[in-house]
Amino acid sequence: EAQVTQNPRYLITVTGKKLTVTCSQNMNHEYMSWYRQDPGLGLRQIYYSMNVEVTDKGDVPEGYKVSRKEKRNFPLILESPSPNQTSLYFCASSFSKISYNEQFFGPGTRLTVL
Amino acid sequence: GQQLNQSPQSMFIQEGEDVSMNCTSSSIFNTWLWYKQEPGEGPVLLIALYKAGELTSNGRLTAQFGITRKDSFLNISASIPSDVGIYFCAGPETSGSRLTFGEGTQLTVNP
Repeated sequence: EAQVTQNPRYLITVTGKKLTVTCSQNMNHEYMSWYRQDPGLGLRQIYYSMNVEVTDKGDVPEGYKVSRKEKRNFPLILESPSPNQTSLYFCASSFSKISYNEQFFGPGTRLTVL
Repeated sequence: GQQLNQSPQSMFIQEGEDVSMNCTSSSIFNTWLWYKQEPGEGPVLLIALYKAGELTSNGRLTAQFGITRKDSFLNISASIPSDVGIYFCAGPETSGSRLTFGEGTQLTVNP
């Protein structure tokens, strides 16, 4: 089944404790992206990647890192999480950057930073 | 970056009613997208619009690309309980590499 998977789905952590949220897609998509969703703000893009070893900042990249060493994986790294990074995070992928309309989203990761 | 404003922020309706929501921007978009997010899930694409004035349907959903290229509308006819969710409009940044999303319209349908 074609899908985007994220792990973990739920995470509670403390300020300053490094964490990684994994994202994997099995559709051989070139384009992958991370979003955060906050009430009243919709979805805001954190980082995106147009291909292996190519990443770029979205609208809210501060406090996050990403890597794209393989086509299928696009982990989101929080080196030193803070409470304002408490949010619902979505990973998404599409065949190419010009088919952004066909972005497939993962099920989401709800992160709480105490 | 570009901003999209959606209204209303939330709607509470009775089953069977028609629903209308819209999305506006201060800048021109060449593509308008409408996504739906059900509780506990990621957004799913409903309709994509590529041409000013275009009217596109997907079942009971109809979306229009405004003639000014600065707005779009989504209508749902004869709503049913499974229409519940958050509806987002979205459009690509000028570079085409990023999507900007609106704040969403939360729809509740009472049986």
